[in-house]
This record gives sequence, C-alpha cells and structure tokens, in this order.
Amino acid sequence: EAGVAQSPRYKIIEKRQSVAFWCNPISGHATLYWYQQILGQGPKLLIQFQNNGVVDDSQLPKDRFSAERLKGVDSTLKIQPAKLEDSAVYLCASSSDILSGNTIYFGEGSWLTVV
Amino acid sequence: AQSVTQLDSQVPVFEEAPVELRCNYSSSVSVYLFWYVQYPNQGLQLLLKYLSGSTLVESINGFEAEFNKSQTSFHLRKPSVHISDTAEYFCAVSLVGDDKIIFGKGTRLHILP
Repeated sequence: EAGVAQSPRYKIIEKRQSVAFWCNPISGHATLYWYQQILGQGPKLLIQFQNNGVVDDSQLPKDRFSAERLKGVDSTLKIQPAKLEDSAVYLCASSSDILSGNTIYFGEGSWLTVV
Repeated sequence: AQSVTQLDSQVPVFEEAPVELRCNYSSSVSVYLFWYVQYPNQGLQLLLKYLSGSTLVESINGFEAEFNKSQTSFHLRKPSVHISDTAEYFCAVSLVGDDKIIFGKGTRLHILP
C-alpha cells in the first residue's frame, strides 16, 4: 500500500513570495489533515478535510494560507505571501476512520525555509 | 479541550540502558492515546496506541506504554535502548468520538555510546 505522498520535499523562498505544497493521501482515506511543525515543537493542525469538505480550519491563518481538496482526493496548501515565521515542516496526513481509533498516516513532510 | 504535556524536551541515555519518556494529558472525557516517532528528516510514524482494553500496549521494536487513568499519564518505556532509537517521540491524544489528534511538543531521545 502506497503511503501519503508529498511534494516538494524542500523549498526555500524569500519572504513575501508564494509557495504551494501538494499531498496525495492513501487511497480510500476520506480524512486529510495538514499540520505545521515548527522546529522544536509538536505538529499543529492547520486544516482538516472530510472528503472535499472542510471540517476544521480554526488554526489556519486565512489571511495568507489557503487549502483545497477539490475532488476529495489530493490536496494543495498555499502560502501567499510567506513570512519568516512560516519556516516549518508542513505535514500531510490521512486516515480512514479515526473515530474508531484508526491510525493517522503521515507523509514525509515538505520543509519550507523563508529567508 | 484536551491537551498533552511532555515534561522532557530532551532525554540522554546510554546505549542498552532503560528509558522512560513521560507524557501526561488532560481531558474530561474518554481518550485515545498515541505515541509517534519521527526519525531525522522523516515524517511521523505510529509507534503504539491505546484505544481500550489492556492498559499496557507494546510496539514491535520493544517499546511499551501504560495508560494510567488516575494519573492521566501514558509514559513510554523501553528496557534497553539501541542507537537506532535516536529520534523524536511525540505523545498525542484524541477524544473518543472526535477525529482530531493533539500532539505534545515532543521529546528528543539521545542515545549515548
């Protein structure tokens, strides 16, 4: 079974530029998450999708971050314009049925450095 | 709302020595508990989880964790660590009936030769 795929793995941009990250979850997983992991901290949930609908985006900085999952499969997270404090690893994850305690599976992350 | 506290940001331990990584949570309702491991430059991998039943859960690589409801803890232990266990370990909690997972800040395990 293929895992959660993310690209690009690494990105360096200047502040005020834009960047987009792509995620393809495990086949059949209805729930998709984007987490932000700043160095030295645990992952923080940015947005959660159930199929192509948003379940929770309460911690997404909506003035600069946006995310979509148009067909209920893959997803894109965009940052525009980027700030220095956006430097982090952006983790995509998916699950089939967390309500019954199923595991959340993570991709390897997209490492963003804003200079 | 639920929260997770990992008391130690770093734990140094000699190879083949035992280790305990501490995790406490707060919640007024039933929870699921997880330990995830993150090796350098990789994503998070599930190490073990507690859903219900036996309070002692084990992983395939020798780690175990015990759910203690009265102390609201889910400490991770291994009787003898190996250099390959060098990683960051994250404790996480989700409420039963909810589909969000909240992570602690992580504990970096340093294995000393």
